[in-house]
Amino acid sequence: GAVVSQHPSRVICKSGTSVKIECRSLDFQATTMFWYRQFPKQSLMLMATSNEGSKATYEQGVEKDKFLINHASLTLSTLTVTSAHPEDSSFYICSARDMSGGYTGELFFGEGSRLTVL
Amino acid sequence: LAKTTQPISMDSYEGQEVNITCSHNNIATNDYITWYQQFPSQGPRFIIQGYKTKVTNEVASLFIPADRKSSTLSLPRVSLSDTAVYYCLVASMEYGNKLVFGAGTILRVKS
Repeated sequence: GAVVSQHPSRVICKSGTSVKIECRSLDFQATTMFWYRQFPKQSLMLMATSNEGSKATYEQGVEKDKFLINHASLTLSTLTVTSAHPEDSSFYICSARDMSGGYTGELFFGEGSRLTVL
Repeated sequence: LAKTTQPISMDSYEGQEVNITCSHNNIATNDYITWYQQFPSQGPRFIIQGYKTKVTNEVASLFIPADRKSSTLSLPRVSLSDTAVYYCLVASMEYGNKLVFGAGTILRVKS
């Protein structure tokens, strides 16, 4: 089946640094990818919709200058957490839909990336 | 987007059938219902989805009544490995088919 891969799976960084997380669709093209974050014992929160070749669409309350999203190709979207602080520590998960299944095709999720900011 | 409501948690025993019901009173005509499973520190995994009536696959069944204001995920003969969080979601083409997660149901399967 279709697979979405994230890298890195875990990252620890110092406060004030920037961290980039990659999301790849391995065997299908994805014009749209979604980024979520999840705090411990909480549900996933949709952060933004990443659109290939255009600007990302951010959900209300999500700082676009803080969370930079680039969708440079049909198989790769990146999320950069800029000037990370301890409160940005979270589990970040991306997802993509195999459009061969149409607009209601299954949404595949990556394995997640756990960010810890010291 | 239609809001979903489901039980916070459920307990079951191995070998039992588990039914998790989700309400989505404000579901729109073109919306569809999808269910995902999540284990700790992993991304969610697709279980099943449907628009109306009954859908069955190799792992679950989904029952949707005619008014579509609710849906029930049925897991036959659960095992310990089915202990996870189960999310009911409503997706709308009007909103780009993005999935907005609710609180989910924590299912604990005991031996």
